[in-house]
Amino acid sequence: GQNIDQPTEMTATEGAIVQINCTYQTSGFNGLFWYQQHAGEAPTFLSYNVLDGLEEKGRFSSFLSRSKGYSYLLLKELQMKDSASYLCAVVDSNYQLIWGAGTKLIIKP
Amino acid sequence: ETGVTQTPRHLVMGMTNKKSLKCEQHLGHNAMYWYKQSAKKPLELMFVYNFKEQTENNSVPSRFSPECPNSSHLFLHLHTLQPEDSALYLCASSHGTDTWDGYTFGSGTRLTVV
Repeated sequence: GQNIDQPTEMTATEGAIVQINCTYQTSGFNGLFWYQQHAGEAPTFLSYNVLDGLEEKGRFSSFLSRSKGYSYLLLKELQMKDSASYLCAVVDSNYQLIWGAGTKLIIKP
Repeated sequence: ETGVTQTPRHLVMGMTNKKSLKCEQHLGHNAMYWYKQSAKKPLELMFVYNFKEQTENNSVPSRFSPECPNSSHLFLHLHTLQPEDSALYLCASSHGTDTWDGYTFGSGTRLTVV
Protein backbone atom coordinates (compact mmCIF):
# COMPACT_ATOMS: atom_id res chain seq x y z
CA GLY A 1 0.00 0.00 0.00
CA GLN A 2 0.95 3.63 -0.22
CA ASN A 3 2.18 5.35 2.90
CA ILE A 4 3.40 8.74 4.04
CA ASP A 5 4.99 9.02 7.49
CA GLN A 6 5.62 12.21 9.41
CA PRO A 7 5.83 12.88 13.17
CA THR A 8 2.52 13.66 14.82
CA GLU A 9 3.77 16.58 16.89
CA MET A 10 6.95 18.59 17.44
CA THR A 11 7.88 21.40 19.82
CA ALA A 12 10.50 24.08 19.20
CA THR A 13 11.60 27.40 20.65
CA GLU A 14 11.09 30.82 19.11
CA GLY A 15 14.17 31.85 17.13
CA ALA A 16 15.43 28.29 16.75
CA ILE A 17 15.53 25.92 13.77
CA VAL A 18 13.30 22.87 13.31
CA GLN A 19 13.31 20.08 10.74
CA ILE A 20 10.12 18.17 9.93
CA ASN A 21 10.74 14.85 8.21
CA CYS A 22 8.54 13.00 5.77
CA THR A 23 9.18 9.49 4.43
CA TYR A 24 7.09 7.95 1.71
CA GLN A 25 6.40 4.65 0.00
CA THR A 26 4.27 5.18 -3.07
CA SER A 27 3.62 3.57 -6.44
CA GLY A 28 5.71 5.94 -8.49
CA PHE A 29 6.69 9.51 -7.78
CA ASN A 30 5.80 12.72 -9.57
CA GLY A 31 6.66 15.28 -6.92
CA LEU A 32 6.22 16.15 -3.26
CA PHE A 33 4.30 19.04 -1.71
CA TRP A 34 4.50 20.72 1.68
CA TYR A 35 1.49 22.66 2.94
CA GLN A 36 1.00 24.75 6.09
CA GLN A 37 -2.34 24.72 7.91
CA HIS A 38 -3.16 26.99 10.83
CA ALA A 39 -5.95 25.80 13.10
CA GLY A 40 -9.33 26.50 11.55
CA GLU A 41 -7.82 27.77 8.32
CA ALA A 42 -7.13 26.56 4.78
CA PRO A 43 -3.97 24.60 4.02
CA THR A 44 -1.63 26.90 2.09
CA PHE A 45 1.08 25.88 -0.38
CA LEU A 46 4.68 26.06 0.85
CA SER A 47 6.81 24.10 -1.61
CA TYR A 48 6.95 21.55 -4.40
CA ASN A 49 10.00 19.32 -5.01
CA VAL A 50 10.37 16.96 -7.95
CA LEU A 51 14.17 16.83 -8.26
CA ASP A 52 16.66 15.85 -5.57
CA GLY A 53 18.17 18.61 -3.52
CA LEU A 54 17.36 21.62 -1.43
CA GLU A 55 14.92 24.36 -2.41
CA GLU A 56 15.18 27.52 -0.32
CA LYS A 57 12.41 30.07 0.02
CA GLY A 58 13.08 32.66 2.70
CA ARG A 59 13.03 31.12 6.17
CA PHE A 60 11.65 27.85 4.78
CA SER A 61 13.60 25.20 2.84
CA SER A 62 12.51 21.83 1.52
CA PHE A 63 14.78 18.90 0.72
CA LEU A 64 14.13 15.79 -1.36
CA SER A 65 15.95 12.49 -1.82
CA ARG A 66 14.02 10.28 -4.23
CA SER A 67 16.36 7.31 -3.76
CA LYS A 68 15.65 7.34 -0.01
CA GLY A 69 11.95 8.21 -0.27
CA TYR A 70 12.61 11.11 2.07
CA SER A 71 11.93 14.79 2.37
CA TYR A 72 12.23 17.39 5.08
CA LEU A 73 10.95 20.88 5.67
CA LEU A 74 13.41 23.16 7.46
CA LEU A 75 12.12 26.22 9.27
CA LYS A 76 14.67 28.81 10.45
CA GLU A 77 14.36 31.75 12.86
CA LEU A 78 11.11 30.35 14.17
CA GLN A 79 8.32 32.79 14.95
CA MET A 80 5.21 32.24 17.05
CA LYS A 81 3.10 32.48 13.87
CA ASP A 82 4.83 29.32 12.57
CA SER A 83 2.76 27.30 15.05
CA ALA A 84 0.64 25.23 12.66
CA SER A 85 0.28 21.80 11.12
CA TYR A 86 2.58 20.91 8.24
CA LEU A 87 1.26 18.47 5.65
CA CYS A 88 3.43 16.36 3.35
CA ALA A 89 1.86 15.00 0.14
CA VAL A 90 3.29 12.90 -2.71
CA VAL A 91 2.05 12.72 -6.31
CA ASP A 92 2.05 9.05 -7.33
CA SER A 93 2.35 7.46 -10.78
CA ASN A 94 -1.38 7.97 -11.42
CA TYR A 95 -1.07 11.65 -10.53
CA GLN A 96 -3.02 11.05 -7.32
CA LEU A 97 -2.04 13.05 -4.24
CA ILE A 98 -1.17 10.85 -1.27
CA TRP A 99 -1.28 12.78 2.01
CA GLY A 100 0.47 12.35 5.33
CA ALA A 101 -1.47 12.91 8.55
CA GLY A 102 0.39 16.16 9.23
CA THR A 103 2.84 17.34 11.88
CA LYS A 104 1.57 19.75 14.52
CA LEU A 105 4.37 22.21 15.31
CA ILE A 106 4.20 24.03 18.65
CA ILE A 107 6.43 27.06 19.11
CA LYS A 108 7.28 28.13 22.66
CA PRO A 109 8.61 31.55 23.66
CA GLU B 1 -8.88 34.71 1.80
CA THR B 2 -7.33 32.17 -0.51
CA GLY B 3 -9.66 32.66 -3.47
CA VAL B 4 -11.69 29.58 -2.56
CA THR B 5 -14.70 30.36 -0.36
CA GLN B 6 -16.61 27.75 1.60
CA THR B 7 -19.91 28.21 3.39
CA PRO B 8 -20.96 27.65 6.04
CA ARG B 9 -17.82 27.67 8.22
CA HIS B 10 -19.53 25.61 10.90
CA LEU B 11 -22.52 23.27 10.70
CA VAL B 12 -24.26 21.15 13.32
CA MET B 13 -26.85 18.76 12.00
CA GLY B 14 -28.92 15.86 13.24
CA MET B 15 -28.72 12.46 11.63
CA THR B 16 -32.07 12.93 9.91
CA ASN B 17 -31.33 16.39 8.50
CA LYS B 18 -30.49 17.38 4.95
CA LYS B 19 -27.96 20.14 4.40
CA SER B 20 -25.58 21.34 1.70
CA LEU B 21 -22.02 22.65 1.74
CA LYS B 22 -21.02 25.24 -0.84
CA CYS B 23 -17.67 26.00 -2.44
CA GLU B 24 -16.92 28.84 -4.84
CA GLN B 25 -13.75 29.86 -6.67
CA HIS B 26 -13.07 32.63 -9.16
CA LEU B 27 -9.46 31.73 -9.87
CA GLY B 28 -10.20 30.42 -13.35
CA HIS B 29 -9.45 26.87 -12.22
CA ASN B 30 -11.03 23.94 -14.03
CA ALA B 31 -10.71 21.24 -11.38
CA MET B 32 -12.42 21.16 -7.99
CA TYR B 33 -12.14 18.68 -5.15
CA TRP B 34 -13.87 17.67 -1.92
CA TYR B 35 -11.67 16.37 0.89
CA LYS B 36 -12.53 15.08 4.37
CA GLN B 37 -10.07 15.95 7.15
CA SER B 38 -10.36 14.07 10.46
CA ALA B 39 -8.13 14.67 13.46
CA LYS B 40 -4.70 13.04 13.16
CA LYS B 41 -5.60 11.36 9.86
CA PRO B 42 -4.46 12.09 6.31
CA LEU B 43 -6.68 14.10 4.04
CA GLU B 44 -9.19 11.78 2.35
CA LEU B 45 -10.09 12.60 -1.23
CA MET B 46 -13.84 12.26 -1.75
CA PHE B 47 -14.71 13.65 -5.19
CA VAL B 48 -12.95 15.24 -8.14
CA TYR B 49 -14.55 17.35 -10.87
CA ASN B 50 -12.67 18.42 -13.99
CA PHE B 51 -14.45 20.81 -16.37
CA LYS B 52 -17.70 20.12 -14.46
CA GLU B 53 -17.44 16.36 -15.02
CA GLN B 54 -16.95 14.02 -12.09
CA THR B 55 -13.74 12.12 -12.68
CA GLU B 56 -13.31 10.47 -9.31
CA ASN B 57 -15.51 9.07 -6.56
CA ASN B 58 -13.39 7.44 -3.90
CA SER B 59 -15.97 4.90 -2.66
CA VAL B 60 -17.81 7.59 -0.77
CA PRO B 61 -21.12 6.55 0.84
CA SER B 62 -24.23 7.68 -1.03
CA ARG B 63 -25.27 9.88 1.90
CA PHE B 64 -22.74 12.33 0.39
CA SER B 65 -23.85 13.64 -2.99
CA PRO B 66 -21.73 16.15 -4.95
CA GLU B 67 -22.95 18.63 -7.52
CA CYS B 68 -20.92 20.82 -9.86
CA PRO B 69 -23.15 23.14 -11.91
CA ASN B 70 -20.18 25.03 -13.40
CA SER B 71 -16.42 25.26 -13.05
CA SER B 72 -16.69 27.89 -10.32
CA HIS B 73 -19.14 26.21 -7.96
CA LEU B 74 -19.17 22.91 -6.12
CA PHE B 75 -21.72 21.58 -3.65
CA LEU B 76 -21.78 18.65 -1.27
CA HIS B 77 -25.30 17.56 -0.35
CA LEU B 78 -25.61 15.71 2.94
CA HIS B 79 -28.43 13.49 4.20
CA THR B 80 -28.86 10.90 6.95
CA LEU B 81 -25.27 11.32 8.13
CA GLN B 82 -23.62 9.37 10.93
CA PRO B 83 -21.68 10.76 13.93
CA GLU B 84 -18.44 9.40 12.38
CA ASP B 85 -18.99 11.81 9.47
CA SER B 86 -18.13 14.68 11.81
CA ALA B 87 -14.98 16.26 10.37
CA LEU B 88 -13.58 19.27 8.53
CA TYR B 89 -14.68 19.23 4.88
CA LEU B 90 -12.26 21.02 2.61
CA CYS B 91 -12.81 22.18 -0.93
CA ALA B 92 -9.83 22.75 -3.23
CA SER B 93 -9.28 23.85 -6.79
CA SER B 94 -6.46 23.65 -9.32
CA HIS B 95 -5.87 24.58 -12.94
CA GLY B 96 -6.37 20.97 -13.99
CA THR B 97 -6.03 17.47 -12.67
CA ASP B 98 -2.66 16.92 -14.31
CA THR B 99 -0.99 20.25 -13.57
CA TRP B 100 1.19 20.51 -10.49
CA ASP B 101 1.13 24.11 -9.44
CA GLY B 102 -0.57 23.05 -6.25
CA TYR B 103 -4.08 23.17 -4.95
CA THR B 104 -5.80 26.22 -3.50
CA PHE B 105 -7.87 25.21 -0.49
CA GLY B 106 -10.85 26.83 1.14
CA SER B 107 -10.97 27.25 4.92
CA GLY B 108 -13.34 24.33 5.24
CA THR B 109 -16.68 23.59 6.86
CA ARG B 110 -16.47 22.13 10.37
CA LEU B 111 -19.31 19.60 10.43
CA THR B 112 -20.67 18.08 13.61
CA VAL B 113 -23.30 15.33 13.34
CA VAL B 114 -25.34 14.85 16.50
